[in-house]
Amino acid sequence: EAQVTQNPRYLITVTGKKLTVTCSQNMNHEYMSWYRQDPGLGLRQIYYSMNVEVTDKGDVPEGYKVSRKEKRNFPLILESPSPNQTSLYFCASSFVQDGGNEQFFGPGTRLTVL
Amino acid sequence: GENVEQHPSTLSVQEGDSAVIKCTYSDSASNYFPWYKQELGKRPQLIIDIRSNVGEKKDQRIAVTLNKTAKHFSLHITETQPEDSAVYFCAARANNNDMRFGAGTRLTVKP
Repeated sequence: EAQVTQNPRYLITVTGKKLTVTCSQNMNHEYMSWYRQDPGLGLRQIYYSMNVEVTDKGDVPEGYKVSRKEKRNFPLILESPSPNQTSLYFCASSFVQDGGNEQFFGPGTRLTVL
Repeated sequence: GENVEQHPSTLSVQEGDSAVIKCTYSDSASNYFPWYKQELGKRPQLIIDIRSNVGEKKDQRIAVTLNKTAKHFSLHITETQPEDSAVYFCAARANNNDMRFGAGTRLTVKP
C-alpha cells in the first residue's frame, strides 16, 4: 500500500531532551516536507527536500533540523525542544514534475513539550 | 516566497446550500493549486486541484475556479451535506515545487 508513515504518533517530552520524528514514504517521491499545524495558523512549512541531500528552510525552521540521506526517509530532529514546539506535525511527499502534483500526508505526530 | 491568504476562517451553512471559500496568492509563478479537506483528528487529503493552464475544474459537487490575472482561486461546494463539515485548506505551488498553505476554513454544515 502506497503510504507515508510517521513515528511516533504521540510523544510527550520535557524541555531540552533531543528527539527525532521519523518519516518514511514508499512511493519513490523526490519531494518531502515537514509541516506543523497550530490552531488558526494552518499548515506552516518547517523544511522541505527536493531530493536526496537537498534540503531547504520553510517558513518556520528555527529549532528544527532535517536530513535526507535516503530518498524514502526524511527525519525531523529537535535538538533542544521547547514548549513552543508543542504542535501537531505532518510529513508529506510528492513527485517533482511539471504541472503540479498531489502531496500525500502522513498520519501526523502530536508532540507535547513540557 | 509565496504567501497564500484564505477566507473566511469559519463558514456555517445549512444543509443543501452552497459554500464558497476563497484564496489569494502572491507569486505569479505558482502553477498548481490544490484543495485539501481535513476531518477532525485526521490528515489532510486532496479533494480537487487545478493547474494554471485551466480556469475551472469540476468533480461532482465540488468545483474550483482560478483567475490567474487576479491571483485568486476559489472552492465551490454545492448541495452541502453534514459530512462536508471539516477544515479546508487551499495551497499554491510554484515552479520550485515549494508549497504554501492557507490558514484554513472551518466549514460547518447544519442538518
